[in-house]
Amino acid sequence: EIVLTQSPGTLSLSPGERATLSCRASQSVSSSYLAWYQQKPGQAPRLLMYGASSRATGIPDRFSGSGSGTDFTLTISRLEPEDFAVYYCQQYGSSQFTFGQGTKLEIK
Amino acid sequence: EVQLVESGGDLVQPGGSLRLSCAASGFTFSHYWMHWVRQAPGKGLVWVSHINGDGAYTTYADSVKGRFTVSRDNAKNTLYLQMNSLRAEDTAVYYCARPGSAFSKYIWFDPWGQGTLVTVSS
Repeated sequence: EIVLTQSPGTLSLSPGERATLSCRASQSVSSSYLAWYQQKPGQAPRLLMYGASSRATGIPDRFSGSGSGTDFTLTISRLEPEDFAVYYCQQYGSSQFTFGQGTKLEIK
Repeated sequence: EVQLVESGGDLVQPGGSLRLSCAASGFTFSHYWMHWVRQAPGKGLVWVSHINGDGAYTTYADSVKGRFTVSRDNAKNTLYLQMNSLRAEDTAVYYCARPGSAFSKYIWFDPWGQGTLVTVSS
């Protein structure tokens, strides 16, 4: 099973700032089969990125993803108030799909 | 519009059973693998199980193997999760999720249902 470790656990920033979230895999993620999801309290997760760097439909271009192999990054260029939420990475390259433990992005 | 609506969550005693349902609409259900993912209160997302389009192939997380069974009724556009021998640690919101593309096993999840809460407690 591929273990995904996200850092930091909590990120405190202000609107307008840049956010950088990390996701590290215990072994290489095949074909960059790495997705990012956003979850707000009381809501289901929402797909943000897939294939490590492709934005899902309707996701603003302030969100970007990068990385390959074992190291992946989600960047939010200029934080909007609605971006404060929990973010999860997920690998979908093996039958035991796994998620990171999440990064909580909170308002400073 | 693609929709996934879970139901069946409830309070159940340890050792008990429960069946969750996920009603799908807005897409050709039989063309898609389908997944169950759970989230314990205040915790992260954990993949539980998936099933292929015709129901012939299933996979489970080790934590539920032998206790949970995923199935589907393509005539009713409905996904199921039969949960037996429930434990306190199975307490969670259970989401069904559809892959982003048809006929694809290794694909991201989009969309997700709103979830149904299962509480295992005496």
